[in-house]
Amino acid sequence: GNSVTQMEGPVTLSEEAFLTINCTYTATGYPSLFWYVQYPGEGLQLLLKATKADDKGSNKGFEATYRKETTSFHLEKGSVQVSDSAVYFCALSVNDYKLSFGAGTTVTVRA
Amino acid sequence: NAGVTQTPKFQVLKTGQSMTLQCAQDMNHNSMYWYRQDPGMGLRLIYYSASEGTTDKGEVPNGYNVSRLNKREFSLRLESAAPSQTSVYFCASSEAGPGNEQFFGPGTRLTVL
Repeated sequence: GNSVTQMEGPVTLSEEAFLTINCTYTATGYPSLFWYVQYPGEGLQLLLKATKADDKGSNKGFEATYRKETTSFHLEKGSVQVSDSAVYFCALSVNDYKLSFGAGTTVTVRA
Repeated sequence: NAGVTQTPKFQVLKTGQSMTLQCAQDMNHNSMYWYRQDPGMGLRLIYYSASEGTTDKGEVPNGYNVSRLNKREFSLRLESAAPSQTSVYFCASSEAGPGNEQFFGPGTRLTVL
């Protein structure tokens, strides 16, 4: 089956620190990969995505590269802000509409 | 554009009571979804509707029913609520086809006593 494993949290950082959240996947087929973000009290929103190997998704200073050889899609940001405090979800879909989510990683950025 | 709207925002039920969660989208999307979010488990798909007139089970359908009322609306019904259904419920919609972004509503926080 399809599954996503992401780094357990919570993660606490100081402002301007470097953030990495690891995500690996198992898929029967060739998945599209996503990072969604959930700010406190809100629904999820798409942060970035990649649909084929070696694609790099980027948005709001975040980046993730689709690595087929290591089945990974790690999320990175070079300098986090307090406003980046949220829960981050890695997800995949394979040949259909359904998303399989990781457990989520809670990130807290301190001023 | 309101995007995806859900009602109610909060609900408390007693075991055995029934209720319907409502969801509507104004983006003319073909596909709609219901998820539940539990601590440490991410989001799990309950039911989805690939297009108007079709519904299919997701990962955790037991205890739930759905209705795709029209292209805009997709409701989730709990016929006899159980404490294990205490969760946050999210509705989402997307264009049909793989790799498309799903747009999420703000969620319904349900507590079953």
